[in-house]
Amino acid sequence: DAGVIQSPRHEVTEMGQEVTLRCKPISGHNSLFWYRQTMMRGLELLIYFNNNVPIDDSGMPEDRFSAKMPNASFSTLKIQPSEPRDSAVYFCASSFAGGNEKLFFGSGTQLSVL
Amino acid sequence: AQSVAQPEDQVNVAEGNPLTVKCTYSVSGNPYLFWYVQYPNRGLQFLLKYITGDNLVKGSYGFEAEFNKSQTSFHLKKPSALVSDSALYFCAVRGIYSGAGSYQLTFGKGTKLSVIP
Repeated sequence: DAGVIQSPRHEVTEMGQEVTLRCKPISGHNSLFWYRQTMMRGLELLIYFNNNVPIDDSGMPEDRFSAKMPNASFSTLKIQPSEPRDSAVYFCASSFAGGNEKLFFGSGTQLSVL
Repeated sequence: AQSVAQPEDQVNVAEGNPLTVKCTYSVSGNPYLFWYVQYPNRGLQFLLKYITGDNLVKGSYGFEAEFNKSQTSFHLKKPSALVSDSALYFCAVRGIYSGAGSYQLTFGKGTKLSVIP
């Protein structure tokens, strides 16, 4: 298995633009998590899905952020409109929700909003 | 709410010396604790976990962690540090069951480990 795949690896955009981050979880995993990492705040959970259903989105900072998981093999995190303070590394992680809680992380998307 | 704290932003250790990266936790109920490592420009990787049983948990790359219930600690240790161990280390705790078949992990802020040759 190729692991959790995120795209793009780097994204540079201007303030006000829409940004879409993509994630393909490990096949067979039924939980998917979106995290944001910054120097100031560390690693923050934004939202997580179980069996494609959003379970907890309380970490989503604002209405500008939205996430979808249309099927078991794909998820998106969208920011519209983007702002400079959204600049961070965004990680997607997946796991098999059998009580293991061993998360497998993608390599992340480095987002820079100018 | 479940939480973990990593009191040190950075730990420096000489190669070959033992290392310790500290973590304390606050949970309701039995703690489920984890350590992850992050190498530069990479995602986090699982190192080890404590669920129940022996207080000394062995994990990947020669790391181990000691669970101490009375001190609410879960420190990461390695008897002899390697330069290649230099990375960012995260302690994590499992959240409360969501009722939907899964749990979330809450991570500490991370500790940067630098192993000096």
